[in-house]
Amino acid sequence: DAGVIQSPRHEVTEMGQEVTLRCKPISGHDYLFWYRQTMMRGLELLIYFNNNVPIDDSGMPEDRFSAKMPNASFSTLKIQPSEPRDSAVYFCASRRGLAGEWTQYFGPGTRLLVL
Amino acid sequence: KQEVTQIPAALSVPEGENLVLNCSFTDSAIYNLQWFRQDPGKGLTSLLLIQSSQREQTSGRLNASLDKSSGRSTLYIAASQPGDSATYLCAVSGEGGSEKLVFGKGTKLTVNP
Repeated sequence: DAGVIQSPRHEVTEMGQEVTLRCKPISGHDYLFWYRQTMMRGLELLIYFNNNVPIDDSGMPEDRFSAKMPNASFSTLKIQPSEPRDSAVYFCASRRGLAGEWTQYFGPGTRLLVL
Repeated sequence: KQEVTQIPAALSVPEGENLVLNCSFTDSAIYNLQWFRQDPGKGLTSLLLIQSSQREQTSGRLNASLDKSSGRSTLYIAASQPGDSATYLCAVSGEGGSEKLVFGKGTKLTVNP
């Protein structure tokens, strides 16, 4: 398996623009997670899905952030409008839904810079 | 609110040395604790996972211990190698099997040849 795939790997945009980050989880994984990593706050969970359904979005910083999972093999995280403080590395992770299978597998991340 | 602290923030050691990385958490009601490795520009790789009922887990040169009551975990790396250079993060999940991992900020390890 290719692992968790994220695109783009790098994104530079201007304040006010819409940004869409994409993730393809590992096939057969039932859970998908979106994280954000900054120097100040470390790694934070934004939202996670189970079987394509959003379960907990309490980590989403504000209404400018939205996430969707239209099918088991694709998810998006959208920021509209983007702001400089959104600059961070955004990770997607997935894991199996089997009992005892707790390990999350992370993608390489998308490094976002908002000017 | 769960908080996870990792000390030291950075560590530099000569090759071959045995070393210990520390992780502490404020709420002992956890379901499991995981140690991850992060290489520059890459995602996280899970190294070890300890369930709350366990005391330790081993994988090769790595050994992780958990003292849930005191809110502490250690990652022991034996005979360190330059390839071990990376940032090591620990994360805890809440009691009841919560999916929400709370991460420490990591310890950046440099192993010098």
